[in-house]
Amino acid sequence: DSGVTQTPKHLITATGQRVTLRCSPRSGDLSVYWYQQSLDQGLQFLIQYYNGEERAKGNILERFSAQQFPDLHSELNLSSLELGDSALYFCASSSGQGAFGYTFGSGTRLTVV
Amino acid sequence: AQKVTQAQTEISVVEKEDVTLDCVYETRDTTYYLFWYKQPPSGELVFLIRRNSFDEQNEISGRYSWNFQKSTSSFNFTITASQVVDSAVYFCALSETGGGNKLTFGTGTQLKVEL
Repeated sequence: DSGVTQTPKHLITATGQRVTLRCSPRSGDLSVYWYQQSLDQGLQFLIQYYNGEERAKGNILERFSAQQFPDLHSELNLSSLELGDSALYFCASSSGQGAFGYTFGSGTRLTVV
Repeated sequence: AQKVTQAQTEISVVEKEDVTLDCVYETRDTTYYLFWYKQPPSGELVFLIRRNSFDEQNEISGRYSWNFQKSTSSFNFTITASQVVDSAVYFCALSETGGGNKLTFGTGTQLKVEL
């Protein structure tokens, strides 16, 4: 167990729908990162939050949004889902803003049908 | 912009063979971190090693060893006496301290170890 908890593990939904992926970081970690792993794009960085504030943005679609709450858990919201959004979504956490001590969760596998 | 290239898409070896996975990176930063992750069929990302740009010492951990050469911008990973349990996708990744500390991943190398 890495200490980073992602729920749900699997999600199947229809095109056009909206889903929320949840991530609880490792105890004491202030930074949360979201990554998407898809067949055509590979593993790519989506967004980072540090202590509730957005710190870095990657190739995140406008249909996607995220936030980090006061208890430091984070949610990734995906809306108007398309077939191409089917992917494995990873959350990672670290103690600071740096990549030192980066820990990944086990991922949420999203299937859009 | 940072970039990581893993030219080997798939490698197949017979158990007990040694295998080297190549990783070449591009960065303009002088301070950066390099990583290797393993992704077994179950899907999770397993951290293997982190190396900072100022530490060019090679590292050995059991059957795993890493060769970091700044002169060629490479960070290669060798598995000695491979085992079937080593079958997985292996990712090399780069993090620039000036890039928000996101990880830029290579496309991965699928390693298949057969009996």
